[in-house]
Amino acid sequence: AQSVTQLGSHVSVSEGALVLLRCNYSSSVPPYLFWYVQYPNQGLQLLLKYTSAATLVKGINGFEAEFKKSETSFHLTKPSAHMSDAAEYFCAVETGANNLFFGTGTRLTVIP
Amino acid sequence: NAGVTQTPKFQVLKTGQSMTLQCAQDMNHEYMSWYRQDPGMGLRLIHYSVGAGITDQGEVPNGYNVSRSTTEDFPLRLLSAAPSQTSVYFCASSYDRDSLSSYNSPLHFGNGTRLTVT
Repeated sequence: AQSVTQLGSHVSVSEGALVLLRCNYSSSVPPYLFWYVQYPNQGLQLLLKYTSAATLVKGINGFEAEFKKSETSFHLTKPSAHMSDAAEYFCAVETGANNLFFGTGTRLTVIP
Repeated sequence: NAGVTQTPKFQVLKTGQSMTLQCAQDMNHEYMSWYRQDPGMGLRLIHYSVGAGITDQGEVPNGYNVSRSTTEDFPLRLLSAAPSQTSVYFCASSYDRDSLSSYNSPLHFGNGTRLTVT
């Protein structure tokens, strides 16, 4: 079965600092992996997705993620945090046609 | 375009009551799904549909029914609400019925329905 694990339910960074949100996956087949962001009282929005075309995936709002098969990881990074990045972030893996298994989420706080 | 519209935004039910959560999309998407979001558990798939007249169970289907009589609508029914169904419910849709790996096929989410069962 395919699944993802997000390490750290809360991450705090200073404005301008590096953002690193961790996600590890478990899959017996090459996975399709996703990062979603959820702002307060809203639904989820797609940040980026990995579909085997390239291991470094660039998404919206300056975020990117690197697929590392040797580490079974798909960590999300952003070089410089903005206050507007404060949100909850979910890693997900596609388990079947259009169905996603979500991680438990990481809440990002940006300190001014 | 309105995208994915969920109604109501908030609902309080008593144990044993029934209700229907509405979901409509105006993007002619084949695929639609329902997730519930609980603290510390992420989102879990309840039911999904790959087209009108076709539905299937997800990870946590018990206590919920769905139907897909039109492409646009995908209502979620709670026949006898229980406190364990207190959650935030999200409807999502996608153009491609086969895979989210398609470039033009992200999953579009509604803004959620917050349900409390007392």
